[in-house]
Amino acid sequence: AQTVTQSQPEMSVQEAETVTLSCTYDTSESDYYLFWYKQPPSRQMILVIRQEAYKQQNATENRFSVNFQKAAKSFSLKISDSQLGDAAMYFCAYRGGDNTDKLIFGTGTRLQVFP
Amino acid sequence: NAGVTQTPKFRILKIGQSMTLQCTQDMNHNYMYWYRQDPGMGLKLIYYSVGAGITDKGEVPNGYNVSRSTTEDFPLRLELAAPSQTSVYFCASSPTGGNYGYTFGSGTRLTVV
Repeated sequence: AQTVTQSQPEMSVQEAETVTLSCTYDTSESDYYLFWYKQPPSRQMILVIRQEAYKQQNATENRFSVNFQKAAKSFSLKISDSQLGDAAMYFCAYRGGDNTDKLIFGTGTRLQVFP
Repeated sequence: NAGVTQTPKFRILKIGQSMTLQCTQDMNHNYMYWYRQDPGMGLKLIYYSVGAGITDKGEVPNGYNVSRSTTEDFPLRLELAAPSQTSVYFCASSPTGGNYGYTFGSGTRLTVV
């Protein structure tokens, strides 16, 4: 069975600095999708970024980018120019290549942003 | 466009009581999901549905039931509530099974005392 591991329960960063959140996963599939979700104190789950495993190019969304290392099964999230509003729980998620597959979530990383 | 709507947002139940968590989506998505979120545990799949009339168990289905009589609605039923069911419950939907991720509701915080 696939698993998703986030080894950093908490991280902190100073405003305007860069922080990287780690995620590793275990799978025997070659075709799959990876996601980062943000959960602010409001509890709403917000999709931050998505990566397709067959695409070698790392996904980027404004200040958010990923470092996708398929062979190492690693999918880290880099937040540049951190803002106070980035403070939240961040969840890494995996979904297999079949339409019957469901999202499998990691345990989350709580990010604090200091002014 | 409301997206995925969950009610109630908060609820306190006594042990042994029953309740239904409501979930409605207005995006005509075929796929719908129920997850629970416990501190330090991430989100665990309870039940899911790939279309009206079709439901299936996820990773942690015990103590729960679901139905899917329409495309829009996917209620989650808790029978004989137990303290172990204290959690935050999320409903989500997807048009294509999740390869573009899910749209989540805002969650229901349930406490069983």
